[in-house]
Amino acid sequence: KNEVEQSPQNLTAQEGEFITINCSYSVGISALHWLQQHPGGGIVSLFMLSSGKKKHGRLIATINIQEKHSSLHITASHPRDSAVYICAAFTSGTYKYIFGTGTRLKVLA
Amino acid sequence: DTAVSQTPKYLVTQMGNDKSIKCEQNLGHDTMYWYKQDSKKFLKIMFSYNNKELIINETVPNRFSPKSPDKAHLNLHINSLELGDSAVYFCASSPSGGYTEAFFGQGTRLTVV
Repeated sequence: KNEVEQSPQNLTAQEGEFITINCSYSVGISALHWLQQHPGGGIVSLFMLSSGKKKHGRLIATINIQEKHSSLHITASHPRDSAVYICAAFTSGTYKYIFGTGTRLKVLA
Repeated sequence: DTAVSQTPKYLVTQMGNDKSIKCEQNLGHDTMYWYKQDSKKFLKIMFSYNNKELIINETVPNRFSPKSPDKAHLNLHINSLELGDSAVYFCASSPSGGYTEAFFGQGTRLTVV
């Protein structure tokens, strides 16, 4: 069992739908990162969270430290949001990221 | 200006060869990483350097040797390449070891034939 689990693994949505991707972790963390990997392979950092909630455009990320759970929400989804979304736990006291297996999102027009 | 740049982007080589992948960041970050993404698209850390010092070596074979000549560079040298080394290798950097967002290079697709 991975120390960082994501769900769902694959997600297909219609344009305009509200999307939620979940991330649960079993390790102590200093921060949790959400990454986006484009179909071309490039990785972009979306958010870094250590508590609460962050919003950037149509993207919202939340974290519940007690429950060891984070969610990434996409409002008014668009085909250009199609990508793999990866959560990464930065473990306490180390310089180490542990990655989830990723969620492959496809948004249909 | 590219924040984290890796070269080459693609590398095809024969088994047994020695190859290097270069990584440079112009962000002034202290920490740099190498990650391997396997065929199932799962990312896993290989090495982490902070201020040119090796912090993490995640059970990577000795054939892999990172070199950090200065804070801005972290190169990956691989000896005696094997078929199983075929993967995409990502370099990344962050200011203070993960407490802020990390920036990734575009990846190097290594194919060993």
